[in-house]
Amino acid sequence: DADVTQTPRNRITKTGKRIMLECSQTKGHDRMYWYRQDPGLGLRLIYYSFDVKDINKGEISDGYSVSRQAQAKFSLSLESAIPNQTALYFCATRGTGVETQYFGPGTRLLVL
Amino acid sequence: GQNIDQPTEMTATEGAIVQINCTYQTSGFNGLFWYQQHAGEAPTFLSYNVLDGLEEKGRFSSFLSRSKGYSYLLLKELQMKDSASYLCAVSRGGSTLGRLYFGRGTQLTVWP
Repeated sequence: DADVTQTPRNRITKTGKRIMLECSQTKGHDRMYWYRQDPGLGLRLIYYSFDVKDINKGEISDGYSVSRQAQAKFSLSLESAIPNQTALYFCATRGTGVETQYFGPGTRLLVL
Repeated sequence: GQNIDQPTEMTATEGAIVQINCTYQTSGFNGLFWYQQHAGEAPTFLSYNVLDGLEEKGRFSSFLSRSKGYSYLLLKELQMKDSASYLCAVSRGGSTLGRLYFGRGTQLTVWP
């Protein structure tokens, strides 16, 4: 079973709709991250969380919100989706003392 | 912000050697990562350098010079499956410990 899972894997929505992307991990890591990836722009950080009570904005948090419901779960919400939020979204985790981040399989989002 | 530069595209032939460079400018440097990402998939960890020098791991090696703000990823005995995007990412210490700053990625195409 995958250590970091994301649901849904693909989503089509309409402008103005509120949607939630979910991330779960079984690695026991305390740190979790949400990125978006656009062609030619690389990975950009939206939000990150170092534990359940700690939420931090990344480079591009406008239009997004997050919830860390438990150590293992970190959700990303688009309050009112717009077409330029069409992108590939990745969740990642990192444990204390562990150098690298581990990425989920990604959610491909299309906003019409 | 961080200034992380890597070439956009590179091509090479099967069996050859290719070197992908990455330069960065950052304060509080706390390590440099290389990830491999196949199209539509999650980035996967390749290497981590925090001290100057060469780290070798099978066909892949990574080099770091902190004084020059420079790293490279060396891929030997190229195979078709090495066609992918290679992401350079810098980690900073302090309050941002654990957060990664990504370059835009280098798309490597391996020809037969």
